[in-house]
Parts: sequence; C-alpha cells; structure tokens
Amino acid sequence: AQSVTQPDIHITVSEGASLELRCNYSYGATPYLFWYVQSPGQGLQLLLKYFSGDTLVQGIKGFEAEFKRSQSSFNLRKPSVHWSDAAEYFCAVGADDKIIFGKGTRLHILP
Amino acid sequence: NAGVMQNPRHLVRRRGQEARLRCSPMKGHSHVYWYRQLPEEGLKFMVYLQKENIIDESGMPKERFSAEFPKEGPSILRIQQVVRGDSAAYFCASSPLPGGENIQYFGAGTRLSVL
Repeated sequence: AQSVTQPDIHITVSEGASLELRCNYSYGATPYLFWYVQSPGQGLQLLLKYFSGDTLVQGIKGFEAEFKRSQSSFNLRKPSVHWSDAAEYFCAVGADDKIIFGKGTRLHILP
Repeated sequence: NAGVMQNPRHLVRRRGQEARLRCSPMKGHSHVYWYRQLPEEGLKFMVYLQKENIIDESGMPKERFSAEFPKEGPSILRIQQVVRGDSAAYFCASSPLPGGENIQYFGAGTRLSVL
C-alpha cells in the first residue's frame, strides 16, 4: 500500500541553523513527490515537487529536497532557517488521482 | 486569478445538524478534491470529483457524507447529522488535469466544530 512516513513529529532548531526534515515513502511505481507547508490556521502551500529528472529539486523560500530512490526518501533541507519558517511541513506522494500525506513535522524555531 | 476559495472558514454546528462546506476551484480547473485533517494528523483523501461526476469516493465515510460538483456553482461537501468526531479541518483542492502527478492547489480550509 502507498504510504508516507515522517518520523519526526516535532523538530526544534535555532534561527540561522540548518534544517533537514525526513520523509520516506512506499509506492510501487515512479513516485510523484511533494512537500507542502502549513502555517497555523492556514491552508497548504506547495514548497516543491519531484516528478522526474534531476534528483535535487529547488523550491520556494530557499528550500530544497533530494530524491533518493535507493532509500525511498525525499528529505527536505534548508541551509539557514528563519523565524518565519516555523510551521508544519507535510511530505506527500501523488498516487492515482489523490495525494497521500505524511502526518507532518512541526518545526519550532528558537531565537 | 483567485485561488481555491472555501467558505465558510469556520463553521459551528450542534450534534445532529447538517454542515455544508463550499469550494470554488481555481479558474480553469475542473478537478476537485476534498481532504479531511483531524487534530495532530495529516490530510486524508475523501473524494475526487469532476464536473457533475464523482470519480473516486474511496475515502468518504459510508454514511452521512456526500459530495457534489454541479455543472454550475461550487463543489459542496455535505455532512448530515454531525457528530463530535466530525470536528476537523476540511480542505478542498483543485487541479487543471487529473492524476496524482499533477499539482493540486489547496484552499484555506473550513474548520468544523461540532458542539
């Protein structure tokens, strides 16, 4: 069955520090992978997507993610976080006519 | 070009009442998806509709829930005889093309509270 696992429920980093959010997926075919961000009380905003080609994809707000087929992973990274990055981050895989989401990782930023 | 519009943003209902959630897709998008987000959970797929057709309702509860996307007007998610467990955020998304490989654009959601 298709699934997405985000092993970290909460992550806390200091402002200016680097960030990596983990994501593993289970999908039989070539995956279409997404990272979305949700600020409190808001909808979801697409950060980046991977469909094919270069396995390192760049997104908005300085985020990037790397697709590793051998590890079934699609980790999200940012070299230096800002206080405004505090939010919940969802990894997702496109499957048939729907998107399957992980449970999310809530990012906290220390001043 | 306005994004996906959902209303109301917040909805309070008493147990046993009906809840109607509306979603207007982005202009030019004919594919609409509804997702539910329970507290501390990710979004779970409910239903996928095209104009006047339900394509996939595999995530819809078998009873009390229904969805439509008429030829004219917004898509409606209807919950009859609401119970406390229906309290959640309901998100609508739209896309110009079908399939999970296409980007879905999300609305801001409707937060349903059942008293």
